[in-house]
Amino acid sequence: DVKVTQSSRYLVKRTGEKVFLECVQDMDHENMFWYRQDPGLGLRLIYFSYDVKMKEKGDIPEGYSVSREKKERFSLILESASTNQTSMYLCATGRAPGYTFGSGTRLTVV
Amino acid sequence: EDQVTQSPEALRLQEGESSSLNCSYTVSGLRGLFWYRQDPGKGPEFLFTLYSAGEEKEKERLKATLTKKESFLHITAPKPEDSATYLCAGGGGGSNYKLTFGKGTLLTVNP
Repeated sequence: DVKVTQSSRYLVKRTGEKVFLECVQDMDHENMFWYRQDPGLGLRLIYFSYDVKMKEKGDIPEGYSVSREKKERFSLILESASTNQTSMYLCATGRAPGYTFGSGTRLTVV
Repeated sequence: EDQVTQSPEALRLQEGESSSLNCSYTVSGLRGLFWYRQDPGKGPEFLFTLYSAGEEKEKERLKATLTKKESFLHITAPKPEDSATYLCAGGGGGSNYKLTFGKGTLLTVNP
């Protein structure tokens, strides 16, 4: 089975800090995704990558950037964290038909 | 704009009481309709993919069906362990299978 590991389950950061969320997959998949999940809004796509050093904006990329230097690792970067970025962040990877998600990082920005 | 709408938002059932969850979609160039299960504090877990109208897939007490505009997740004789949030997603928009998710249905099955 594909394993997707997100580096932290819970994270508390201060407003204005630069935040790195890491995601590692062990199955050599090309596609990797970052979503955020908020009550009443569901999962929304932030960024995705279909190859090393390739990235595309999702539906809500503002305030975020990503890095994919190696195939197995996809990082989400909050350049200057704000309270409205408090959320559950989920990384996903895989090939169609079904993607595998990590367990998520619950980020609180204070 | 791609859109996926799930109803109801929440559903309470008694153990053994069968029901259905609905997912209506408008996804440009739909290449697959996905169902996921999500338990509290965990990431979504893949259940089914449906590719064309008329297709059905089953797994234990769950059966997913697809029409040209909707998908249904039928739950037969549910048990308390079926309690979870069920997410529907449309995959489309080119070869990278970007998913558009609905907001989910929170299912609670009481013993």
